[in-house]
Amino acid sequence: GAVVSQHPSRVICKSGTSVKIECRSLDFQATTMFWYRQFPKKSLMLMATSNEGSKATYEQGVEKDKFLINHASLTLSTLTVTSAHPEDSSFYICSAREGTSVLEQYFGPGTRLTVT
Amino acid sequence: RKEVEQDPGPFNVPEGATVAFNCTYSNSASQSFFWYRQDCRKEPKLLMSVYSSGNEDGRFTAQLNRASQYISLLIRDSKLSDSATYLCVVKLSGGSYIPTFGRGTSLIVHP
Repeated sequence: GAVVSQHPSRVICKSGTSVKIECRSLDFQATTMFWYRQFPKKSLMLMATSNEGSKATYEQGVEKDKFLINHASLTLSTLTVTSAHPEDSSFYICSAREGTSVLEQYFGPGTRLTVT
Repeated sequence: RKEVEQDPGPFNVPEGATVAFNCTYSNSASQSFFWYRQDCRKEPKLLMSVYSSGNEDGRFTAQLNRASQYISLLIRDSKLSDSATYLCVVKLSGGSYIPTFGRGTSLIVHP
């Protein structure tokens, strides 16, 4: 099946620094990429949706200036957590979709961010 | 009311047991339904789609009740490896292609 990779898989950073997470679709062109955040024992929460070459659409309550999303190509999207704080510590998962069906939506393995 | 609701559990069952989860959705225009499985600290993976006529895949049976707006997942002969969180996913058709995830139901199968 299709593969989506994320890098890094785990990152620990100091409060105030910025962290960039990459999401790549390895064998298909992702017209849409989603970024989710999941806190421990909580549900997957959609942060933003991005289409290649256009600005991301952020969900209510997600600060677009804090979580910068760039979807520069059909195979790469990046999420940058700027000026990270301990409350940003979470599991960030990207998902890439080739068409419009959920069945064509594939998840990356996730990135565990810990802000100290 | 949340768009997609699930009982978080955990459901603690012995090996071999049959267990069922329900998931209710609020938008009657929802068209597509899925069950995902998520293991601890891993990404969600598609378990099965839910069709109007119901569908079965081995020990797993999924059903849709449009009148009452819920979907169900039945697991027969539970295995230890079935321990995971099961996420209900609902999607509208038409202009909105973004799936909505439930918070998940935790299943623990013990020896």
